[in-house]
Amino acid sequence: KQEVTQIPAALSVPEGENLVLNCSFTDSAIYNLQWFRQDPGKGLTSLLLIQSSQREQTSGRLNASLDKSSGRSTLYIAASQPGDSATYLCAVVKAAGNKLTFGGGTRVLVKP
Amino acid sequence: DAGVIQSPRHEVTEMGQEVTLRCKPISGHDYLFWYRQTMMRGLELLIYFNNNVPIDDSGMPEDRFSAKMPNASFSTLKIQPSEPRDSAVYFCASSFGHMNTEAFFGQGTRLTVV
Repeated sequence: KQEVTQIPAALSVPEGENLVLNCSFTDSAIYNLQWFRQDPGKGLTSLLLIQSSQREQTSGRLNASLDKSSGRSTLYIAASQPGDSATYLCAVVKAAGNKLTFGGGTRVLVKP
Repeated sequence: DAGVIQSPRHEVTEMGQEVTLRCKPISGHDYLFWYRQTMMRGLELLIYFNNNVPIDDSGMPEDRFSAKMPNASFSTLKIQPSEPRDSAVYFCASSFGHMNTEAFFGQGTRLTVV
């Protein structure tokens, strides 16, 4: 059974510092990995999707890497801002059908 | 498109009552998912549909839970009878295609069973 883990569960950084969020998964046979952002009381917003054949994806200040063989992905957020405060979740898709298996999330606080 | 629309946003009900959650997926999307989020268990997939047909309901916790998708623009998740342990945020999501496509989530329904 696929298990997805995110450590740490919470992270607090001063504004301007780069954020590094980690995600690990036990079964390397995945189709893709997705990173989401969740604000309190809101739904999930997709940030990046990395296909199994890719090593990284970038969008603005966000960069996500994928090392399938070691079962790891890292989300980098450059020059963090207070508006980046949210919970970040990673999820993997193991088979056709887009079923997502989620990690527990990392709650991020960026202090002004 | 307005995105995935869920209703109601909040629901408070008494134990034993029937609860129906509703979802309108993004037009043109052929996959629809129901997830549940709790502090203890995080986000879990309950059931998903492809072209209105239930494909995998292995995540549905008990027979008290049922889901339908009568057409491409509407789905319901029903709990009957509801119990306090069903209290959670229920999310609906949709996507297009079976591989490497983003999932779009609704705002969720916060269910409280007292």
